Amino acid sequence: GQNIDQPTEMTATEGAIVQINCTYQTSGFNGLFWYQQHAGEAPTFLSYNVLDGLEEKGRFSSFLSRSKGYSYLLLKELQMKDSASYLCAVRESVDSSYKLIFGSGTRLLVRP
Amino acid sequence: DTGVSQNPRHKITKRGQNVTFRCDPISEHNRLYWYRQTLGQGPEFLTYFQNEAQLEKSRLLSDRFSAERPKGSFSTLEIQRTEQGDSAMYLCASSFGGDNEQFFGPGTRLTVL
Repeated sequence: GQNIDQPTEMTATEGAIVQINCTYQTSGFNGLFWYQQHAGEAPTFLSYNVLDGLEEKGRFSSFLSRSKGYSYLLLKELQMKDSASYLCAVRESVDSSYKLIFGSGTRLLVRP
Repeated sequence: DTGVSQNPRHKITKRGQNVTFRCDPISEHNRLYWYRQTLGQGPEFLTYFQNEAQLEKSRLLSDRFSAERPKGSFSTLEIQRTEQGDSAMYLCASSFGGDNEQFFGPGTRLTVL
């Protein structure tokens, strides 16, 4: 079956670092994505991992371990505008659909 | 602007009515996906098209739902005889090929009274 778990909520302080974890069990793994979603808006792409290791993109980094079914998103130098939901999604390729299977999202609140 | 667009942005309807939503993907994207998102949850896959062919439909998509992409460009999602449980944000995404990032539109928020 398909299962993607991530914490429901996290709180962090402006300027700090926060790590959002994601564990998954899916079939036909073809990459893991992180999206940011502000309330009432569409998800926007943050990062993508298909091989094990760390991908860095400015203040955002994402890590993947395929053997452990585990990923994290690291946000550095937090800003107030980073308050949003962060969605972990696995892309499946069992039937060439390449559809995304999303977790429920982690609501991050950044406090001054 | 060349992003994914969706219309309408909001739709309020009474139970039992039919509604239709439109998605215009990024012009060179051959794949188009529909997802549904309820409050506090991540998006759930509904269906996808490669060009004009609808290649997969989720079990979430009951017989009341139908989607089309007649010329391989824009797509429509129709819900017949709406129910209160259909209230959700309907998101459209497009990509060029399966291996590339999916870009999401702003969504259509449906409220069924």
